[in-house]
Amino acid sequence: TQLLEQSPQFLSIQEGENLTVYCNSSSVFSSLQWYRQEPGEGPVLLVTVVTGGEVKKLKRLTFQFGDARKDSSLHITAAQPGDTGLYLCAGDRNNQGGKLIFGQGTELSVKP
Amino acid sequence: EAGVTQFPSHSVIEKGQTVTLRCDPISGHDNLYWYRRVMGKEIKFLLHFVKESKQDESGMPNNRFLAERTGGTYSTLKVQPAELEDSGVYFCASSRAQGSSTEAFFGQGTRLTVV
Repeated sequence: TQLLEQSPQFLSIQEGENLTVYCNSSSVFSSLQWYRQEPGEGPVLLVTVVTGGEVKKLKRLTFQFGDARKDSSLHITAAQPGDTGLYLCAGDRNNQGGKLIFGQGTELSVKP
Repeated sequence: EAGVTQFPSHSVIEKGQTVTLRCDPISGHDNLYWYRRVMGKEIKFLLHFVKESKQDESGMPNNRFLAERTGGTYSTLKVQPAELEDSGVYFCASSRAQGSSTEAFFGQGTRLTVV
């Protein structure tokens, strides 16, 4: 059973388009993290959201944590080819920091 | 500051053989985590060390897997004997402290293929 459902698994868009990636769960998380992973590398942390309803922005990326702390979204505005990569959400259920539950990931391809 | 490093980056072994993966965390990071991603599945937690002590090993698949962190520095993960289903990418991560606001830094992973 997948505790953290991430969708879509694959996304191919044109440069300049917007996109949203979703992570959903029936469980409450003390925090949720978004990572980006390049081929041959480990995941690199983009942002951590902690408070229900929290919104964080990182340049063209907007991260939101659901009010009930069960879901999160990543929105990219005006995607660029450099945004291509694997995006992962990961939840911390018990405020344990590094013990994370990962979603399956979203493989994003942005074509010029 | 050097990041988390893992050795080897790739390993191909035959079923029944033994393989040892190594992780060198960031210096000063007491917390060390092992994760694994098998083909088509999500990254899954294996275990957590605080210094040399196993804090949580609830994710270890079975007793063919043995993790150690002697002296609280680098860690090893030994698979003996390896089975086909052990193939995947093994990630190590380290963090200075625990808690939701603490960032865990990941190594590049070891890709293990059991044939």
